Amino acid sequence: ETGVTQTPRHLVMGMTNKKSLKCEQHLGHNAMYWYKQSAKKPLELMFVYNFKEQTENNSVPSRFSPECPNSSHLFLHLHTLQPEDSALYLCASSQGLADTDTQYFGPGTRLTVL
Amino acid sequence: GQNIDQPTEMTATEGAIVQINCTYQTSGFNGLFWYQQHAGEAPTFLSYNVLDGLEEKGRFSSFLSRSKGYSYLLLKELQMKDSASYLCAVLDSNYQLIWGAGTKLIIKP
Repeated sequence: ETGVTQTPRHLVMGMTNKKSLKCEQHLGHNAMYWYKQSAKKPLELMFVYNFKEQTENNSVPSRFSPECPNSSHLFLHLHTLQPEDSALYLCASSQGLADTDTQYFGPGTRLTVL
Repeated sequence: GQNIDQPTEMTATEGAIVQINCTYQTSGFNGLFWYQQHAGEAPTFLSYNVLDGLEEKGRFSSFLSRSKGYSYLLLKELQMKDSASYLCAVLDSNYQLIWGAGTKLIIKP
């Protein structure tokens, strides 16, 4: 247990569905992240939030829409996804954005797009 | 471009020692992290190096040479539970983490 939870752990959806991934951190951190992890590829940073404000959007397609209502919760809203979006989606949090702030990861949501 | 290279897979024997290498070419350097990720689980922090040299933490040690763009993670007295992927990540000049693809370590009895 790292103090970061994600739901659901597994999700199968069609290309026309709309779904949301949820992340919650119980560590009192101020920064939260969404990553995409595909098999045998490096982690891809998608979004960064610091004190609820989005500070990074790494050219992510608009079919992924993040939401950060407060410093403890982070959502990723999904719509009209493509099969190539199938991957493990990891949420992480850190105290801040300082260089030595270790990121703590959630267990991830395994997403399959049919 | 920015690049982190680490072997895709390694195999070692229980009780032995294994060294996982990581080389990097990044725009600037503000530190290097090693994370462990068991299959189906979250990556967990192992070490952070920003100065040259060896940092020892129990059975795990991490080494950094900034002039060579090189780091390694050394695992001693290997246990079956050490079977996992080991991820190398570098903080670049913009304090953005650049990740390697990970090294899958298989431990055999």
